Amino acid sequence: DIQMTQSPSTLSASVGDRVTITCRASQSIVNWLAWYQQKPGKAPKLLIYKSSSLKSGVPSRFSGSGSGTEFTLTISSLQSDDFATYYCQQYNSYLWTFGQGTKVDIK
Amino acid sequence: QLQLQESGPGLVKPSETLSLTCTVSGGSISSSTYYWGWIRQPPGKGLEWIGSIDFSGSTSYNPALRGRGTLSVDTSNNKFSLKLSPVAAADTALYYCARRVTLQPFDYWGQGTLVTVSS
Repeated sequence: DIQMTQSPSTLSASVGDRVTITCRASQSIVNWLAWYQQKPGKAPKLLIYKSSSLKSGVPSRFSGSGSGTEFTLTISSLQSDDFATYYCQQYNSYLWTFGQGTKVDIK
Repeated sequence: QLQLQESGPGLVKPSETLSLTCTVSGGSISSSTYYWGWIRQPPGKGLEWIGSIDFSGSTSYNPALRGRGTLSVDTSNNKFSLKLSPVAAADTALYYCARRVTLQPFDYWGQGTLVTVSS
């Protein structure tokens, strides 16, 4: 199985901050990586696919980068609506796996 | 707009069978480029992919289920289903159904349904 490790597990930030979340894969997944945002009581929402492609309708302050085993999600200027938990997910192998999540809360 | 809705019992006894259905509206389940999946989330924890199925019934499963999961598709009624048996307390979770397109991650999700395994 491909293991996905996110860091940090929790991140405290303020509105307007630049925020970066890292996701590492236990083996190369090329660029088959997605990022989701999940708010309490809601289903995950797809933000980015294929490492850096922004899903239609997602604000441009979200961006993704990376390839192979190292990936990042960046929020250029954190907004109040962005306080949530973020998950990475690899879809390189048939066995899809998620990272453990990064909770972004208010400092 | 594609919509997915999970349905099924909210309480299942240990050693019995968990059965959930996902009803798809606003689009056809029969497209050859669509895959339909189940993902679960234990309370307060992360996401776990359970398995996926396409319109023809071709399936893939998470080996962590140890062969307990079965997915099926009902193209006549635009639905797909999950059966998990036997269940234990560790199967208590919020169960989501979702759709993906070939070479893409899950882009449409249901709202989720909580299943508790308890006697």
